[in-house]
Amino acid sequence: DVVMTQSPLSLPVTLGQPASISCRSSQSLVHSDGNTYLNWFQQRPGQSPRRLIYKVSNRDSGVPERFSGSGSGTDFTLKISRVEAEDVGIYYCMQGTDWYTFGQGTKLEIK
Amino acid sequence: QVQLQESGPGLVEPSETLSLTCAVSGFSISSGFYWGWIRQPPGKGLEWVGSIHYSGMNYNTPSLKSRVTISVDTSKNQFSLKVTSVTAADTAVYYCARHVGAEGGRTFDHWGQGTLVTVSS
Repeated sequence: DVVMTQSPLSLPVTLGQPASISCRSSQSLVHSDGNTYLNWFQQRPGQSPRRLIYKVSNRDSGVPERFSGSGSGTDFTLKISRVEAEDVGIYYCMQGTDWYTFGQGTKLEIK
Repeated sequence: QVQLQESGPGLVEPSETLSLTCAVSGFSISSGFYWGWIRQPPGKGLEWVGSIHYSGMNYNTPSLKSRVTISVDTSKNQFSLKVTSVTAADTAVYYCARHVGAEGGRTFDHWGQGTLVTVSS
């Protein structure tokens, strides 16, 4: 299994400040077709997960521009340029290159 | 707008079979894509359980493979999950989701609201 490791697991952030979440995979996520299937999800309290980013850096429709994804190989990052109150929740990375596995989640809270 | 809704018993006895159904609206299952199940034990992270194509082709996570069956009913635009010989470790919120292919990132782009299944006597 591809193991996805996120850090930090807890992320207190002041409103208006940036936030960054790291996700590392136990093996390269470059698929044989040349694509890298690394995705990011947001799960607000009491809600289902919502996809934010797919294939490393593609933002889903309706996702604010303050969310961005980057990375390659085994090392990936989700950045929020200026945290807002509605961003509180748990963020998961997920790989779709070799079956499908999720990171443990990073809980973002307002400081 | 694609919408998914899980349904099924919220309580299952140990060693019995967990059965859930996901009704899809706003999109025909026969139009394509795979359709998947993901679960989340209370207070824990997400685990992919398995996925199925409208043609019936399906695949499951290796750790659960022998206990999981996923089926599809295109006439009702729904798909189902069965997990046999359940234990307390199968207690979780079960989500159904649309599972997109390479173009969409080989991931899950629309999710149901989830349903809690508790395994207990």
